[in-house]
Amino acid sequence: NAGVTQTPKFQVLKTGQSMTLQCAQDMNHNSMYWYRQDPGMGLRLIYYSASEGTTDKGEVPNGYNVSRLNKREFSLRLESAAPSQTSVYFCASSDPNLGVHNTGELFFGEGSRLTVL
Amino acid sequence: SQQGEEDPQALSIQEGENATMNCSYKTSINNLQWYRQNSGRGLVHLILIRSNEREKHSGRLRVTLDTSKKSSSLLITASRAADTASYFCAPAGSYIPTFGRGTSLIVHP
Repeated sequence: NAGVTQTPKFQVLKTGQSMTLQCAQDMNHNSMYWYRQDPGMGLRLIYYSASEGTTDKGEVPNGYNVSRLNKREFSLRLESAAPSQTSVYFCASSDPNLGVHNTGELFFGEGSRLTVL
Repeated sequence: SQQGEEDPQALSIQEGENATMNCSYKTSINNLQWYRQNSGRGLVHLILIRSNEREKHSGRLRVTLDTSKKSSSLLITASRAADTASYFCAPAGSYIPTFGRGTSLIVHP
């Protein structure tokens, strides 16, 4: 099993450019998440999707949009990148058996390292 | 917010020693999870302890939970250089697990 796969692994953008981070999981999980990790800040939740067809804002949603394309895929889009969005982005998914606001373990991808110049 | 706060922020020990890191949180939880992150990698789940449990073991890991004090501890016994990583606690209740800044553990060979 591949688990959670993120693409691309690295990306450099110029201010104002747009891009989409892709995430796919093969564990049949209902819930998927996008976090960003900055030095000294821990992981902060950007958006999550409790199930296919639903998305909700997390702690730091401004400047981002998401799409839950199907049960497997959850993408994160930066419409107009800013230097403040330079970060490492992690996608995660979780066990479908524990409900919408689940308490199961999270499975993480390896991260997408984004630099905005 | 159910975000956990890990303490200490950094811990440096010699191989073979035990490493203890603590987590505090503010609201009621259903369970608390611990994760490890190796440099440049994603987080990996280590262990989950439920609110009705006080202690749990997994290999060299021992986790305790004190819901009255809203705190948890992770003990790694007989540390190895390969344990060098950041460790995060994630309190979880009816909300999405949230993560603190982590404890950076360095184990010197």
